[in-house]
Amino acid sequence: SQTIHQWPATLVQPVGSPLSLECTVEGTSNPNLYWYRQAAGRGLQLLFYSVGIGQISSEVPQNLSASRPQDRQFILSSKKLLLSDSGFYLCAWSSKGRSGELFFGEGSRLTVL
Amino acid sequence: KQEVTQIPAALSVPEGENLVLNCSFTDSAIYNLQWFRQDPGKGLTSLLLIQSSQREQTSGRLNASLDKSSGRSTLYIAASQPGDSATYLCAVRPGANSKLTFGKGITLSVRP
Repeated sequence: SQTIHQWPATLVQPVGSPLSLECTVEGTSNPNLYWYRQAAGRGLQLLFYSVGIGQISSEVPQNLSASRPQDRQFILSSKKLLLSDSGFYLCAWSSKGRSGELFFGEGSRLTVL
Repeated sequence: KQEVTQIPAALSVPEGENLVLNCSFTDSAIYNLQWFRQDPGKGLTSLLLIQSSQREQTSGRLNASLDKSSGRSTLYIAASQPGDSATYLCAVRPGANSKLTFGKGITLSVRP
């Protein structure tokens, strides 16, 4: 069966520090991968998605970047965090098959102080 | 642009009640619709996926229906339990290679 792992679960970082959140998927190959951010009262916002290694699409301009160095690894990064980067970050995957069902990781809570 | 609405934002019911959660979308040309559950501080768990050609899907005490012509989906929860307390989100995928558009969710509280 397929599983998705996301870490760290909780992170407290000072303004201006770098960020790296990692996500890996097991039990499938060539998945579509996604990074979402969830802010209170604002719903889920798609940040990045990837259909393959090295292929990244950004949905909104921001202080963050994403990379996909391996087929089942997706990384969310920042060189210098802003207060506004605080939030709950969720990694997700879907297969390229017909169903298109989306599966989420457990999330990473980022607090920027 | 597809918009997904879930009303009300919060709902409180006594244990044992059968309940319906509503989801409406503005563009009826969809590929599929997915219902999720989210517990506080956790990720989203997929509950049911309905393809555009389907009218409903069932899993245990959950039944989701889809009416594309009216732009509506409902999630029916039978014999609700306190463990059903969570936020329920619906999401619409416009096309096979499109991204999902999410509603803001309904926070359900089932009172013992």
